[in-house]
Amino acid sequence: DTAVSQTPKYLVTQMGNDKSIKCEQNLGHDTMYWYKQDSKKFLKIMFSYNNKELIINETVPNRFSPKSPDKAHLNLHINSLELGDSAVYFCASSMQGNTEAFFGQGTRLTVV
Amino acid sequence: AQSVTQLGSHVSVSEGALVLLRCNYSSSVPPYLFWYVQYPNQGLQLLLKYTSAATLVKGINGFEAEFKKSETSFHLTKPSAHMSDAAEYFCAVSDQQAGTALIFGKGTTLSVSS
Repeated sequence: DTAVSQTPKYLVTQMGNDKSIKCEQNLGHDTMYWYKQDSKKFLKIMFSYNNKELIINETVPNRFSPKSPDKAHLNLHINSLELGDSAVYFCASSMQGNTEAFFGQGTRLTVV
Repeated sequence: AQSVTQLGSHVSVSEGALVLLRCNYSSSVPPYLFWYVQYPNQGLQLLLKYTSAATLVKGINGFEAEFKKSETSFHLTKPSAHMSDAAEYFCAVSDQQAGTALIFGKGTTLSVSS
């Protein structure tokens, strides 16, 4: 039973398109995150939600919009995709008071 | 602000040799520290964590790390490398606040040769 699941695992799309990545966790955690891993494997936080409230919003283009319909889901919508958006996007979750994060398998986004 | 520096982007060892991956942190508050492992095309898996209890932390797969406040270090070790240990290893820091995101180092690629 997957703890943090992301869909899709691979996403290939053209420049200018709009796409979404979905994330769900069944761990009962109250905090969820989106991280971006670039081609050099550097991981950087993009967003963090705690109980559906946006906590962290790093310097990310406003083309990226997270949405958390409930504590178990955090989706990432990207408008007007650019070549530079190509990366692996990881969803993660944790429990308040415990910063250990559990990661999904990642979504490899390729913009052509 | 917090940060993590991993010394050595690539470490190569022979099977059976000692593994030592270095991590130094910077934090203005007592930190939580973590080591994660990433196998090719996989997500990140927690190896071990330091949360202000014992300074020597044991993790999965025979790995351990020692928190040294005076050296601001949290190096990862394993006495005897296996081929299956070849992966990317990330050190991360957090400031213990609920909901705070992990700040990652740039990662160290571990290669193991037979």
